[in-house]
Amino acid sequence: LAKTTQPISMDSYEGQEVNITCSHNNIATNDYITWYQQFPSQGPRFIIQGYKTKVTNEVASLFIPADRKSSTLSLPRVSLSDTAVYYCLVGDRASYGGSQGNLIFGKGTKLSVKP
Amino acid sequence: KAGVTQTPRYLIKTRGQQVTLSCSPISGHRSVSWYQQTPGQGLQFLFEYFSETQRNKGNFPGRFSGRQFSNSRSEMNVSTLELGDSALYLCASSGPGLEVYEQYFGPGTRLTVT
Repeated sequence: LAKTTQPISMDSYEGQEVNITCSHNNIATNDYITWYQQFPSQGPRFIIQGYKTKVTNEVASLFIPADRKSSTLSLPRVSLSDTAVYYCLVGDRASYGGSQGNLIFGKGTKLSVKP
Repeated sequence: KAGVTQTPRYLIKTRGQQVTLSCSPISGHRSVSWYQQTPGQGLQFLFEYFSETQRNKGNFPGRFSGRQFSNSRSEMNVSTLELGDSALYLCASSGPGLEVYEQYFGPGTRLTVT
C-alpha cells in the first residue's frame, strides 16, 4: 500500500471550509483514495472514496489532481462536531476490498474546530 | 440496520491472564477484521476473517488469535496478557461479498491490563 503523509493537526472555526491535503507520491494505478473520520473512543467512520477528479457526497468532497500524487478532503462549513481525527488511506481494492481487513492507517490529521 | 456491536465495552485484566472479545457484524456482512489502537502505535491491523476463514494476519505475536463462527460473529483472544496489550480493540465488518470496500467499525472494547 502506498505511504501517505498528512498534517498532524489543523485548527479551524465554525462555519469555515476545511481542506485537508494528503500526499501519496507512490500511488499505484489500481489504488483508490479513502478517507475515514474517527472521534475519541469510537471506531473510524468511512467518509468518502475516489479514484480521480472529484467526488462529492452529503458530508464531504474529495479532490484528486490528474497526477493523483495528492488528494484533498474538503469539509464545507465545519461545526464543533467535526472535531475528530481524519485518516487518508491509499490502496487497491484487493488490499482493502478483496481482502477486506488490511487497512493501514497512518497517524491522521487531528482537526480542532473552535467556536 | 443495527451497527457493529462489540462486547464487552470495557475490561480490566491482570498481567498473565487471558481475555476474549466478541464482535457481531452488521447483518449480512461476512468479513470481520480486528484492529488494535494505542496512542503510540495508532491503528494496527490484527487479522481478518471471511466465511470462517482467516484471510489476512497482521504483525502480532501468536498470543493474539481469533475465530469466526458460521453466523459471521467473531471472537478474538489474547493469552498471557502484557501491560502493552492495553488498548482499544476495534472490530470492523464489510460485505456481503469481497467486492465491497467500505468497512464499518464498532465502538471498540477498551482493555486495560494492570
